[in-house]
Amino acid sequence: AQTVTQSQPEMSVQEAETVTLSCTYDTSESNYYLFWYKQPPSRQMILVIRQEAYKQQNATENRFSVNFQKAAKSFSLKISDSQLGDTAMYFCAFIDGGATNKLIFGTGTLLAVQP
Amino acid sequence: GAVVSQHPSWVICKSGTSVKIECRSLDFQATTMFWYRQFPKQSLMLMATSNEGSKATYEQGVEKDKFLINHASLTLSTLTVTSAHPEDSSFYICSATARQGLYEQYFGPGTRLTVT
Repeated sequence: AQTVTQSQPEMSVQEAETVTLSCTYDTSESNYYLFWYKQPPSRQMILVIRQEAYKQQNATENRFSVNFQKAAKSFSLKISDSQLGDTAMYFCAFIDGGATNKLIFGTGTLLAVQP
Repeated sequence: GAVVSQHPSWVICKSGTSVKIECRSLDFQATTMFWYRQFPKQSLMLMATSNEGSKATYEQGVEKDKFLINHASLTLSTLTVTSAHPEDSSFYICSATARQGLYEQYFGPGTRLTVT
């Protein structure tokens, strides 16, 4: 079965500092996609960053970057220069390249950015 | 682009009544829509997948007769909670995939359902 594990239920970081959120996954597929979603208090799901498994280069979106270790099945999110608006629940998610298109979510990490 | 709306954003209904939640893709055609349920401080739980013009595929443990899903057009899917009970109170979120980039889902803002 395909699973996504986020081992950090809660994290805290000071404004302007850097924080890394962990995510591991398990799959036997070779073609798949990984995502980090942010859910702020408004509860709107926002795509932060995505990574295609066939790409060796780690994805980057402004202050957000990932460390994708395919062999280790690890997909961590680094947030640089943390801002108060980054306070949210962060979900790691996986989707295989097959026909189902089902997103499999981790349990989430609640990130609090402290002023 | 890729905006998904949900209506209503918040609904209160009495136990035993039915309530319908709409999910619309505003600027793209959605071949597939997904319905999730989320309890406080928990992750999203997929309830069902619906494709336009065909019956929804429900996840294991989800009651088909209680949660009726209709995907009548490429821009609209509805979730009807029938004979609602207090335990159906939750946050319901829909998402949609466009024809291109099938793997990326665009999420609606969610609907908070409270059954009294």
